[in-house]
Amino acid sequence: VQLVESGAGVVQPGRSLRLSCEDSGLTFSVHAMHWVRQAPGQGLEWVAVISYDGNYKNHADSVKGRFTISRDNPKNTLYLQMNSLRPEDTAVYYCAREITVAGPDRRFDTWGQGTLVTVSS
Amino acid sequence: DIQLTQSPSLLPASVGDRVIITCRASQGISTYLAWYRQEPGKAPELLIYAASTLQTGVPSRFSGSGSGTEFTLTISSLQPGDFATYYCQQLNFYPFTFGGGTKVEIK
Repeated sequence: VQLVESGAGVVQPGRSLRLSCEDSGLTFSVHAMHWVRQAPGQGLEWVAVISYDGNYKNHADSVKGRFTISRDNPKNTLYLQMNSLRPEDTAVYYCAREITVAGPDRRFDTWGQGTLVTVSS
Repeated sequence: DIQLTQSPSLLPASVGDRVIITCRASQGISTYLAWYRQEPGKAPELLIYAASTLQTGVPSRFSGSGSGTEFTLTISSLQPGDFATYYCQQLNFYPFTFGGGTKVEIK
């Protein structure tokens, strides 16, 4: 098992939660990393990306200004800080590793098992 | 944002069937397209990238084709473990959008 998420829980609307994704492999610091979520019974939604060195970040409009992606390369860990949570943020959150190459060969080759976040009063 | 439309959304099929899933992009994405399979309760699994390149370890019954706005995923002979949901994803422009999914179910 390479990517393991943690931080699942039930949280009230408006509160915060931080998710973690630990990479047990040896190459975490060379890969861009992503968060993808899946609401119950729904499809996949891309949430955020961070470059291998943390200098580039991008967030989906649906979470922009509320969620922040970050990473700690010496700890081989990816984070998602989620603030001002809403019921519609209820989902399984996956971290995914990107194989970043020039051209169309980029892909998400490794995924975590997912962690469930429930936002409810 | 680039929209990806998959069809059909539900595909009844039997073991041994040849199945084809289509993914249409709202604008050209060259071959920046990947396909994933997701079994219930599990994480997505990469099958195809760059529209037609088979991921290492994925059986050769899976194949992909297309470029620009039209793409297909073909399973040449459906196996029991292939009854799952399939997603396409574009990786050309942020946000890296996914299609709505195609559920392959037992006929």
